[in-house]
Amino acid sequence: TQLLEQSPQFLSIQEGENLTVYCNSSSVFSSLQWYRQEPGEGPVLLVTVVTGGEVKKLKRLTFQFGDARKDSSLHITAAQPGDTGLYLCAGGIQGAQKLVFGQGTRLTINP
Amino acid sequence: NAGVTQTPKFRILKIGQSMTLQCTQDMNHNYMYWYRQDPGMGLKLIYYSVGAGITDKGEVPNGYNVSRSTTEDFPLRLELAAPSQTSVYFCASSQDSYGYTFGSGTRLTVV
Repeated sequence: TQLLEQSPQFLSIQEGENLTVYCNSSSVFSSLQWYRQEPGEGPVLLVTVVTGGEVKKLKRLTFQFGDARKDSSLHITAAQPGDTGLYLCAGGIQGAQKLVFGQGTRLTINP
Repeated sequence: NAGVTQTPKFRILKIGQSMTLQCTQDMNHNYMYWYRQDPGMGLKLIYYSVGAGITDKGEVPNGYNVSRSTTEDFPLRLELAAPSQTSVYFCASSQDSYGYTFGSGTRLTVV
């Protein structure tokens, strides 16, 4: 069974601070996706990274895929209250059309 | 732009009752998935389908059944509801493994 461990599980910081969320595994993934989920809604895709070492930026969010395609990080610069939510990483299983999800990081940005 | 539509949004079942969670997508995606999300946990894959007429078990299939008679519809059947099936259920679809579109979920309580 391929597992993804996210850390931290909970994070509460002040507006304007920077933060990094980690997603780690001992398994190799074909891709790594990050989703954000708000209360009462389904997860919404933020980004997909597929190449080891790949870095993608989405405004104040920076996503990186590890060189060995076993881990990923999400960095948020100058966090805003609108960034509050549950962040989920998901790894694509090689040779199969399905994902395995981490347990999520619940992020709260305080004004 | 409907995307993935799930019904009902909320349901309370008594132990031993049966129900079907409906899922429809209008994006002509080949792949469809059912996940459950328990408090403090990520998403666990129940069943998935790579096309009409083809279904396969995920991590937690016990107590559930699915069918995929059309590209658009992927209903999830609970035959004998148990308290352990209290959860939020999400349906998702994708054209490839690089990004899922999720529905808004069905919150099910078994009492």
